[in-house]
Amino acid sequence: NAGVTQTPKFQVLKTGQSMTLQCAQDMNHNSMYWYRQDPGMGLRLIYYSASEGTTDKGEVPNGYNVSRLNKREFSLRLESAAPSQTSVYFCASTLSAPGNTIYFGEGSWLTVV
Amino acid sequence: GENVEQHPSTLSVQEGDSAVIKCTYSDSASNYFPWYKQELGKGPQLIIDIRSNVGEKKDQRIAVTLNKTAKHFSLHITETQPEDSAVYFCAAFVQGAQKLVFGQGTRLTINP
Repeated sequence: NAGVTQTPKFQVLKTGQSMTLQCAQDMNHNSMYWYRQDPGMGLRLIYYSASEGTTDKGEVPNGYNVSRLNKREFSLRLESAAPSQTSVYFCASTLSAPGNTIYFGEGSWLTVV
Repeated sequence: GENVEQHPSTLSVQEGDSAVIKCTYSDSASNYFPWYKQELGKGPQLIIDIRSNVGEKKDQRIAVTLNKTAKHFSLHITETQPEDSAVYFCAAFVQGAQKLVFGQGTRLTINP
């Protein structure tokens, strides 16, 4: 039972490089989310997809793009990485109705130098 | 938009004592309030949750209370054990927007 799977787990980028974080869930969930976690700031929502075919901005969308490739997959792209994007990134998913558990992946540690 | 404030940011208690973490939220449309525990190097894991039509919920040593009028909710851990040491996050689910907004987290340390 894989749940929410994120890749890669660790990545080091140079400023200006691009990369895509991949996320897949095998629970037939409708909603998927990307959060970033920085020390002392909790988890902040970057983008989310309430259902297949839709995406919306969260609190901190600047510098990121997302694609809901299908119901299972939701990717996060950094077009031109900046040191301020050094963070731990978490993907999450849920059936979407309130009261349904939101499951998180194990995280992706990204360092931009 | 929704804003969730969590206090304290750090909490240290003696093993066997109780720990209380408090959160407030701003959006009255929020109707679901989960609590997550995050251990080092791991993703957040749900430990307990409460819906807006319930005032209190308990699961063994963990309980959550909700005051909708005051827009605050709290996590109570009794008989704390060393394995309770972790970072705890409260969150509020915004109905309609379909998104979960987190508090800043509380680092709980249980001293043996």
